[in-house]
Amino acid sequence: EGRLVQSGAEVKKPGESLNISCKGSEYSFANQWIAWVRQMPGKGLEWMGIIYPGDSDTRYSPSFQGQVTISVDKSISSAYLQWSSLKASDTAMYYCARQARGSLDIWGQGTMVTVSS
Amino acid sequence: QSALTQPRSVSGSPGQSVTISCTGTSSDVSDYNSVSWYQHHPGKAPKVMIYDVSKRPSGVPDRFSGSQSGNTASLTISGLQAEDEADYYCCSYAGSYTWVFGGGTILTVL
Repeated sequence: EGRLVQSGAEVKKPGESLNISCKGSEYSFANQWIAWVRQMPGKGLEWMGIIYPGDSDTRYSPSFQGQVTISVDKSISSAYLQWSSLKASDTAMYYCARQARGSLDIWGQGTMVTVSS
Repeated sequence: QSALTQPRSVSGSPGQSVTISCTGTSSDVSDYNSVSWYQHHPGKAPKVMIYDVSKRPSGVPDRFSGSQSGNTASLTISGLQAEDEADYYCCSYAGSYTWVFGGGTILTVL
């Protein structure tokens, strides 16, 4: 059926860079899109962007374009969400999820990112 | 690309039915007929309950159903149970391989 496992919680300072990961297993990782979803504290889910591991085709929500970078290394079945300069407002839970069969059908466990001076 | 509009909260007693609406625009909900619904318990990963407006993934109880009329999609939960208490989010395809979520609805089982 498939499984996504995300990297662990991060505590960073404003201005630092960060790369969190999402590793797929038990399915053909290269052939299914992987999306990233943000949930800020006390707020709802926000769709950030999506990548196709097969050819690295990437799409972003207008709200997140230029704010983050989504990438993939299909050789190790991993997708990444990257920041070059974190802000306090990036503090949130971040989920990766597989886009398949008309839905986000498999989700990672989430990675909590805390940005504080 | 604006978030889809959902009621902030709904409630019902065990055994009752509740319906959660999700209103979008001609750029998403009504244009693509591709709405999914997610149940989110705090501290856990979201779970898909409905996809393609009205289809249920394997393992989701048939108490959960989805429908759509124009630019409004709906999730109905019948025979409410205590474990249904959660946050619910709709999500619609918005073109060019992008999606948009609703603001979320808190379901309280009284």
